[in-house]
Amino acid sequence: GAGVSQSPRYKVAKRGQDVALRCDPISGHVSLFWYQQALGQGPEFLTYFQNEAQLDKSGLPSDRFFAERPEGSVSTLKIQRTQQEDSAVYLCASSLVSTPRSNEQFFGPGTRLTVL
Amino acid sequence: SQQGEEDPQALSIQEGENATMNCSYKTSINNLQWYRQNSGRGLVHLILIRSNEREKHSGRLRVTLDTSKKSSSLLITASRAADTASYFCATEVPSGTYKYIFGTGTRLKVLA
Repeated sequence: GAGVSQSPRYKVAKRGQDVALRCDPISGHVSLFWYQQALGQGPEFLTYFQNEAQLDKSGLPSDRFFAERPEGSVSTLKIQRTQQEDSAVYLCASSLVSTPRSNEQFFGPGTRLTVL
Repeated sequence: SQQGEEDPQALSIQEGENATMNCSYKTSINNLQWYRQNSGRGLVHLILIRSNEREKHSGRLRVTLDTSKKSSSLLITASRAADTASYFCATEVPSGTYKYIFGTGTRLKVLA
């Protein structure tokens, strides 16, 4: 496709359930970011991949959050034992170059996660 | 926690008027970017200004950067109803991370 796609667009989970969120970046984009956006707030950085290497996971809020990009394209963000405070929109962004600094990020539409 | 703070939090103007929103940040930066977010198109990159630049233009957008005050402003001239959206600044921190720090956003409403 022409842009970054994410699935599912909406996810409702019961507290304690595990969820997996998928991101398909723009083909050929080396850099991939995950962000968490709470209602009324700006996106907060979670993690960054360069190809298949996870170079920065400093924003992951707990060890219940895990991200992977095994073949350097599609990425999955997994949240184990979901809690209500995990409710947010999860955004994926990709960037063409291997050096993401000073480069435009292309964002997907996000996955809205609601934990009951 | 977020570094950038946008001001005002919300802004409502008439079509054709100019809209100015400000962003303040806390640490030194490599560059600052502005993004727009609406329900139809998600987050879209508008403009990037580097730390050694003071002003930049793109169409109806004008961005300024004052690194001594750690602040930036985004001016949208001759606003249109389609400019209705939330606007965020994002700073690239010159540290050992790849982290971009987004502000809290300004919600702009342009009335037709």
